[in-house]
Amino acid sequence: AQSVSQHNHHVILSEAASLELGCNYSYGGTVNLFWYVQYPGQHLQLLLKYFSGDPLVKGIKGFEAEFIKSKFSFNLRKPSVQWSDTAEYFCAVSSSGGSYIPTFGRGTSLIVHP
Amino acid sequence: DSGVTQTPKHLITATGQRVTLRCSPRSGDLSVYWYQQSLDQGLQFLIHYYNGEERAKGNILERFSAQQFPDLHSELNLSSLELGDSALYFCASSVHGANVLTFGAGSRLTVL
Repeated sequence: AQSVSQHNHHVILSEAASLELGCNYSYGGTVNLFWYVQYPGQHLQLLLKYFSGDPLVKGIKGFEAEFIKSKFSFNLRKPSVQWSDTAEYFCAVSSSGGSYIPTFGRGTSLIVHP
Repeated sequence: DSGVTQTPKHLITATGQRVTLRCSPRSGDLSVYWYQQSLDQGLQFLIHYYNGEERAKGNILERFSAQQFPDLHSELNLSSLELGDSALYFCASSVHGANVLTFGAGSRLTVL
């Protein structure tokens, strides 16, 4: 069964700092990878996704993620965070050979101080 | 607004009771997924329906059941509630199969 591990449970940054949130998955086959974001009081929404092709994926609001197959990782990055990036971030994985149902990590709570 | 509608938004009930959570998927989406989010377990997959048929089950307790109706809305029934069932219950929909999910705002259940 596939699983997802998010290493940072809570991250606190100041505005303009760089962000990198770790995500590792366990599944040896072909995977689809996602980052979802949940702003305070709102629903989860898709930030970016990787299905195939260029391992560097660009999403909304200046976020990007890099799929490194050899490391089973899909880390989320943003060069300069804003106060409005304060939210909960979830990494998820699904697979064509394993479970097509997205499996989510426990989430990382990001707080950005102005 | 994601297009996925969940009701009620908040629900407070007592142990031993039964509740029904409702989800209307985004227009055109045939798949409905239910997830449970709790502080200690994160986001756990419960069950998936596609066009009225159950397609996959996750960590769903026997006290819980769900169905998807011909108009594609879905209901999650939680019975014999326990304190540990207190959580946020999310519904998500997709066009077909899985991959990109569109989530509703969730139903927060508090069991006292």
